[in-house]
Amino acid sequence: DVVLTQSPATLSVTPGERISLSCRASESVDTYLHWYQQKPNESPRLLIKYASQSISGIPSRFSGSGSGTDFTLSINGVELEDLSIYYCQQGNSLPFTFGSGTKLEIK
Amino acid sequence: EIQLQESGPGLVKPSQSLSLTCSVTGYTITSGYDWSWIRKFPGNKMEWMGYISYSGSTNYNPSLKSRISITRDTSKNQFFLQLNSVTTEDTATYYCARGTYYGPKDYWGQGVMVTVSS
Repeated sequence: DVVLTQSPATLSVTPGERISLSCRASESVDTYLHWYQQKPNESPRLLIKYASQSISGIPSRFSGSGSGTDFTLSINGVELEDLSIYYCQQGNSLPFTFGSGTKLEIK
Repeated sequence: EIQLQESGPGLVKPSQSLSLTCSVTGYTITSGYDWSWIRKFPGNKMEWMGYISYSGSTNYNPSLKSRISITRDTSKNQFFLQLNSVTTEDTATYYCARGTYYGPKDYWGQGVMVTVSS
Protein backbone atom coordinates (compact mmCIF):
# COMPACT_ATOMS: atom_id res chain seq x y z
CA ASP A 1 0.00 0.00 0.00
CA VAL A 2 1.12 3.58 -0.62
CA VAL A 3 1.77 5.30 2.69
CA LEU A 4 1.09 9.03 2.79
CA THR A 5 2.90 10.91 5.53
CA GLN A 6 1.52 14.33 6.39
CA SER A 7 3.42 16.93 8.35
CA PRO A 8 3.12 18.59 10.66
CA ALA A 9 0.46 16.68 12.58
CA THR A 10 -0.73 19.92 14.13
CA LEU A 11 -0.04 23.47 13.04
CA SER A 12 -0.80 26.51 15.18
CA VAL A 13 -1.43 29.56 13.03
CA THR A 14 -2.26 33.24 13.22
CA PRO A 15 -5.00 34.53 10.92
CA GLY A 16 -3.47 36.11 7.85
CA GLU A 17 -0.43 33.82 7.75
CA ARG A 18 0.66 31.98 4.64
CA ILE A 19 1.17 28.32 5.48
CA SER A 20 2.22 25.11 3.78
CA LEU A 21 1.16 21.57 4.61
CA SER A 22 3.21 18.61 3.42
CA CYS A 23 2.16 15.20 2.10
CA ARG A 24 4.89 12.71 1.21
CA ALA A 25 4.18 9.40 -0.54
CA SER A 26 6.15 6.18 0.03
CA GLU A 27 6.31 5.72 -3.77
CA SER A 28 5.45 7.85 -6.76
CA VAL A 29 1.77 8.63 -7.23
CA ASP A 30 2.39 10.86 -10.26
CA THR A 31 -0.14 13.70 -9.79
CA TYR A 32 -2.96 11.46 -8.59
CA LEU A 33 -3.01 13.24 -5.25
CA HIS A 34 -6.04 15.06 -3.86
CA TRP A 35 -6.58 17.30 -0.84
CA TYR A 36 -9.62 17.49 1.43
CA GLN A 37 -10.71 19.73 4.28
CA GLN A 38 -12.79 18.35 7.12
CA LYS A 39 -14.37 20.57 9.73
CA PRO A 40 -15.76 19.14 12.98
CA ASN A 41 -19.02 17.23 12.48
CA GLU A 42 -18.89 17.70 8.72
CA SER A 43 -17.97 15.40 5.87
CA PRO A 44 -14.71 15.95 3.95
CA ARG A 45 -14.76 18.60 1.24
CA LEU A 46 -12.58 18.39 -1.87
CA LEU A 47 -10.12 21.29 -2.02
CA ILE A 48 -7.58 20.42 -4.72
CA LYS A 49 -7.54 17.60 -7.27
CA TYR A 50 -4.65 16.08 -9.24
CA ALA A 51 -2.10 17.83 -7.00
CA SER A 52 -2.68 21.35 -8.28
CA GLN A 53 -6.05 21.69 -9.98
CA SER A 54 -8.49 24.08 -8.35
CA ILE A 55 -12.08 23.21 -7.52
CA SER A 56 -15.04 25.41 -8.31
CA GLY A 57 -16.31 27.20 -5.22
CA ILE A 58 -13.09 26.78 -3.22
CA PRO A 59 -11.46 30.09 -2.21
CA SER A 60 -8.44 31.06 -4.26
CA ARG A 61 -6.22 31.22 -1.16
CA PHE A 62 -5.97 27.41 -1.38
CA SER A 63 -3.42 26.03 -3.83
CA GLY A 64 -1.56 22.78 -4.37
CA SER A 65 1.73 21.75 -5.90
CA GLY A 66 3.96 18.75 -6.36
CA SER A 67 4.28 15.50 -8.23
CA GLY A 68 5.78 12.08 -7.67
CA THR A 69 6.27 11.75 -3.93
CA ASP A 70 6.26 15.30 -2.52
CA PHE A 71 3.18 17.48 -2.37
CA THR A 72 2.22 20.74 -0.71
CA LEU A 73 -1.07 22.39 0.13
CA SER A 74 -0.69 26.13 0.65
CA ILE A 75 -3.10 28.57 2.24
CA ASN A 76 -2.29 32.17 1.39
CA GLY A 77 -3.77 34.15 4.26
CA VAL A 78 -5.34 31.73 6.74
CA GLU A 79 -8.82 32.65 7.91
CA LEU A 80 -10.60 31.51 11.07
CA GLU A 81 -12.96 29.37 8.99
CA ASP A 82 -9.96 27.33 7.76
CA LEU A 83 -9.49 25.69 11.13
CA SER A 84 -9.97 22.06 10.17
CA ILE A 85 -8.17 18.82 9.53
CA TYR A 86 -6.59 18.54 6.07
CA TYR A 87 -6.08 15.15 4.40
CA CYS A 88 -4.27 14.09 1.28
CA GLN A 89 -5.41 11.00 -0.65
CA GLN A 90 -3.78 9.09 -3.50
CA GLY A 91 -5.64 7.55 -6.40
CA ASN A 92 -2.66 6.12 -8.26
CA SER A 93 -3.01 2.57 -7.03
CA LEU A 94 -5.32 0.34 -5.06
CA PRO A 95 -6.01 0.41 -2.23
CA PHE A 96 -6.60 4.14 -2.27
CA THR A 97 -5.02 5.60 0.85
CA PHE A 98 -5.23 8.74 2.95
CA GLY A 99 -2.67 10.61 4.94
CA SER A 100 -3.05 10.86 8.69
CA GLY A 101 -4.10 14.49 8.48
CA THR A 102 -2.84 17.90 9.57
CA LYS A 103 -4.91 19.74 12.14
CA LEU A 104 -4.92 23.53 11.88
CA GLU A 105 -5.33 25.36 15.19
CA ILE A 106 -5.35 28.99 16.23
CA LYS A 107 -2.14 30.10 17.95
CA GLU B 1 -27.72 18.83 -6.95
CA ILE B 2 -26.00 15.56 -6.21
CA GLN B 3 -26.55 14.27 -2.70
CA LEU B 4 -25.52 11.11 -0.91
CA GLN B 5 -27.03 10.00 2.38
CA GLU B 6 -25.98 7.10 4.56
CA SER B 7 -28.40 5.22 6.78
CA GLY B 8 -28.21 2.25 9.08
CA PRO B 9 -27.94 1.20 12.70
CA GLY B 10 -25.66 3.18 14.95
CA LEU B 11 -24.91 0.23 17.23
CA VAL B 12 -23.81 -3.26 16.24
CA LYS B 13 -22.78 -6.12 18.49
CA PRO B 14 -19.39 -7.77 18.13
CA SER B 15 -19.32 -10.74 15.71
CA GLN B 16 -22.45 -9.49 13.94
CA SER B 17 -22.72 -7.84 10.54
CA LEU B 18 -22.77 -4.11 9.88
CA SER B 19 -25.11 -3.07 7.08
CA LEU B 20 -25.37 0.45 5.69
CA THR B 21 -27.23 2.04 2.80
CA CYS B 22 -26.17 4.99 0.68
CA SER B 23 -29.03 6.70 -1.12
CA VAL B 24 -28.03 8.87 -4.06
CA THR B 25 -30.11 11.69 -5.54
CA GLY B 26 -29.32 13.98 -8.43
CA TYR B 27 -27.26 11.40 -10.31
CA THR B 28 -27.89 7.85 -11.51
CA ILE B 29 -25.29 5.46 -10.14
CA THR B 30 -25.26 3.45 -13.38
CA SER B 31 -24.38 6.54 -15.46
CA GLY B 32 -20.75 6.73 -14.38
CA TYR B 33 -18.24 6.96 -11.53
CA ASP B 34 -17.24 4.62 -8.74
CA TRP B 35 -19.23 4.59 -5.52
CA SER B 36 -17.10 4.14 -2.45
CA TRP B 37 -17.35 3.45 1.22
CA ILE B 38 -14.79 5.23 3.39
CA ARG B 39 -14.52 5.26 7.15
CA LYS B 40 -12.92 7.52 9.72
CA PHE B 41 -11.79 6.03 12.98
CA PRO B 42 -11.66 7.79 16.35
CA GLY B 43 -8.29 9.52 16.24
CA ASN B 44 -8.92 10.71 12.66
CA LYS B 45 -7.43 7.89 10.56
CA MET B 46 -9.29 7.53 7.25
CA GLU B 47 -9.62 4.22 5.39
CA TRP B 48 -10.99 3.57 1.90
CA MET B 49 -12.98 0.34 2.17
CA GLY B 50 -14.04 -0.38 -1.38
CA TYR B 51 -16.19 0.67 -4.30
CA ILE B 52 -18.81 -0.52 -6.71
CA SER B 53 -18.47 0.90 -10.18
CA TYR B 54 -21.22 2.22 -12.43
CA SER B 55 -21.03 -1.11 -14.29
CA GLY B 56 -21.39 -3.14 -11.11
CA SER B 57 -17.82 -4.32 -10.69
CA THR B 58 -16.29 -4.08 -7.24
CA ASN B 59 -12.90 -3.46 -5.68
CA TYR B 60 -12.15 -3.92 -2.01
CA ASN B 61 -9.36 -2.97 0.32
CA PRO B 62 -7.37 -6.18 0.85
CA SER B 63 -7.34 -5.48 4.57
CA LEU B 64 -11.10 -6.14 4.54
CA LYS B 65 -11.45 -8.48 1.61
CA SER B 66 -12.75 -11.48 3.49
CA ARG B 67 -15.37 -9.49 5.42
CA ILE B 68 -16.71 -6.86 3.02
CA SER B 69 -19.37 -6.82 0.36
CA ILE B 70 -20.65 -3.83 -1.61
CA THR B 71 -23.82 -4.27 -3.64
CA ARG B 72 -26.42 -2.03 -5.22
CA ASP B 73 -30.10 -1.66 -6.09
CA THR B 74 -30.21 0.27 -9.32
CA SER B 75 -34.01 0.61 -9.17
CA LYS B 76 -33.66 2.61 -5.95
CA ASN B 77 -30.35 4.29 -6.89
CA GLN B 78 -28.77 2.94 -3.74
CA PHE B 79 -25.65 1.04 -2.88
CA PHE B 80 -24.89 -0.93 0.24
CA LEU B 81 -22.09 -1.92 2.57
CA GLN B 82 -21.99 -5.16 4.47
CA LEU B 83 -19.12 -5.81 6.85
CA ASN B 84 -19.13 -9.17 8.58
CA SER B 85 -17.72 -10.34 11.90
CA VAL B 86 -17.28 -6.85 13.28
CA THR B 87 -15.14 -6.08 16.30
CA THR B 88 -14.74 -2.97 18.42
CA GLU B 89 -12.02 -1.92 15.97
CA ASP B 90 -14.73 -1.34 13.35
CA THR B 91 -16.16 1.50 15.42
CA ALA B 92 -15.98 4.51 13.09
CA THR B 93 -17.91 7.09 11.13
CA TYR B 94 -18.83 5.59 7.76
CA TYR B 95 -19.11 7.72 4.63
CA CYS B 96 -20.25 6.98 1.13
CA ALA B 97 -18.67 9.00 -1.65
CA ARG B 98 -18.55 9.39 -5.42
CA GLY B 99 -15.28 9.27 -7.27
CA THR B 100 -13.23 7.76 -10.04
CA TYR B 101 -10.15 5.59 -10.23
CA TYR B 102 -7.20 8.04 -10.13
CA GLY B 103 -9.60 10.89 -9.41
CA PRO B 104 -10.89 12.55 -6.26
CA LYS B 105 -13.96 11.78 -4.18
CA ASP B 106 -16.01 14.79 -5.12
CA TYR B 107 -19.31 14.18 -3.32
CA TRP B 108 -19.68 12.74 0.16
CA GLY B 109 -22.54 11.79 2.40
CA GLN B 110 -22.83 13.35 5.83
CA GLY B 111 -21.57 10.19 7.51
CA VAL B 112 -23.07 7.77 9.99
CA MET B 113 -21.39 6.90 13.26
CA VAL B 114 -21.36 3.18 14.01
CA THR B 115 -20.33 1.82 17.38
CA VAL B 116 -19.50 -1.83 17.85
CA SER B 117 -20.27 -2.78 21.41
CA SER B 118 -22.05 -5.46 23.37
